[in-house]
Amino acid sequence: DAKTTQPPSMDCAEGRAANLPCNHSTISGNEYVYWYRQIHSQGPQYIIHGLKNNETNEMASLIITEDRKSSTLILPHATLRDTAVYYCIVRVRGSQGNLIFGKGTKLSVKP
Amino acid sequence: EAGVAQSPRYKIIEKRQSVAFWCNPISGHATLYWYQQILGQGPKLLIQFQNNGVVDDSQLPKDRFSAERLKGVDSTLKIQPAKLEDSAVYLCASSPRVRTSGRTGELFFGEGSRLTVL
Repeated sequence: DAKTTQPPSMDCAEGRAANLPCNHSTISGNEYVYWYRQIHSQGPQYIIHGLKNNETNEMASLIITEDRKSSTLILPHATLRDTAVYYCIVRVRGSQGNLIFGKGTKLSVKP
Repeated sequence: EAGVAQSPRYKIIEKRQSVAFWCNPISGHATLYWYQQILGQGPKLLIQFQNNGVVDDSQLPKDRFSAERLKGVDSTLKIQPAKLEDSAVYLCASSPRVRTSGRTGELFFGEGSRLTVL
């Protein structure tokens, strides 16, 4: 079973920041938080991952709480193309093991 | 670089018929995964290969599903006979060898093959 809890759906206005929360209260010390998204009719796509420090790349920012029990994915300026299901996954970094997906959060970006 | 290729994109069959899906991973990726995604749910692993060996097939319904990865490159997933509950998207993913590539171990997914069983 997935080790994360996410809200089933969220809305965001185009151009505004989208903040997607994730709870992972049972995360282990060697597990990273990964975020993937799945646009309609496509396979999941990697977004970002982190251990305990905040991370930023060209797609998004990841904020992890100090106790590592929750995190927030931030899309700073959401566009219509960001409408997708976002999955938060905990996984041992570098592991060749599979990703265990939950149901994710369906983000709808509205004009 | 070219992505993960899958075919066919869509397939409609009747129950008890057979079907096969093909996957060509990204060149050089040692690990290959097959996932099943039922409508409204997240993907679920069916089988994982490391080169041409099976790493994990614990969730593969072996009475009807089979998969192979000959020569450690492309792979086929077969369902025979199909049931109504097999209607889903079958996703193939690959990942590079972490030690040699220095990558994060992230998975790269294909667009999937959508199966409808009538």
